[in-house]
Amino acid sequence: QVQLVQSGTGVKKPGASVKVSCKASGYTFTNYGISWVRQAPGQGLEWMGWISAYNANTNYAQKLQGRVTMTTDTSTSTAYMELRSLRSDDTAVYFCAREDSSGYYFDYWGQGTLVTVSS
Amino acid sequence: SYVLTQPPSVSVAPGQTARITCGGNNIGTKSVHWYQQKPGQAPVLVVYDDSDRPSGIPERFSGSNSGNTATLTISRVEAGDEADYYCQVWDSSSDPFYVFGTGTKVTVL
Repeated sequence: QVQLVQSGTGVKKPGASVKVSCKASGYTFTNYGISWVRQAPGQGLEWMGWISAYNANTNYAQKLQGRVTMTTDTSTSTAYMELRSLRSDDTAVYFCAREDSSGYYFDYWGQGTLVTVSS
Repeated sequence: SYVLTQPPSVSVAPGQTARITCGGNNIGTKSVHWYQQKPGQAPVLVVYDDSDRPSGIPERFSGSNSGNTATLTISRVEAGDEADYYCQVWDSSSDPFYVFGTGTKVTVL
């Protein structure tokens, strides 16, 4: 069965960086794209960006351009999201999600990773 | 950017029908997808491409989309349907490409 397993909770200081991993299993990793979606406490879902696991093409939300980098390691079927220059409003649960191959929606999600930015 | 507007909350008695709207400019020309999110959990896809259901999702969940409004309908509501629901579209002319609605909290009375 398809699974996306993310790395654990983290606490970071303002200005630091965080790198969240998302290990995929149960499907051919390179056949699908992975998006990252975050959710601030008590707030809605915010799409951050997408990476093709096939050719590593990326597309980032403009508000995060310059601070976010998404990568993949096809040898371990793992996607990564790095966010730099962290601010308090980056405190959120970060989800990876697989993009369905036939349409622009997300059919499987990771369990989420809470990142708290606090001094 | 493209904006999707949902009512903040919908309340429904068990066994009744809940309707959750998602408003957007000419949303009827786009494919709309719906997710259910329970507290502390990841979202779950419940309807895709306006009205299709993934395997394992009960037939009680249905969707429609026309004009400026898409609707998720939950028939014969159960206590386990209490959750937040989000609509979502993809719009290549928007930034971001993937847009989520503001979310609706469904409360089962």
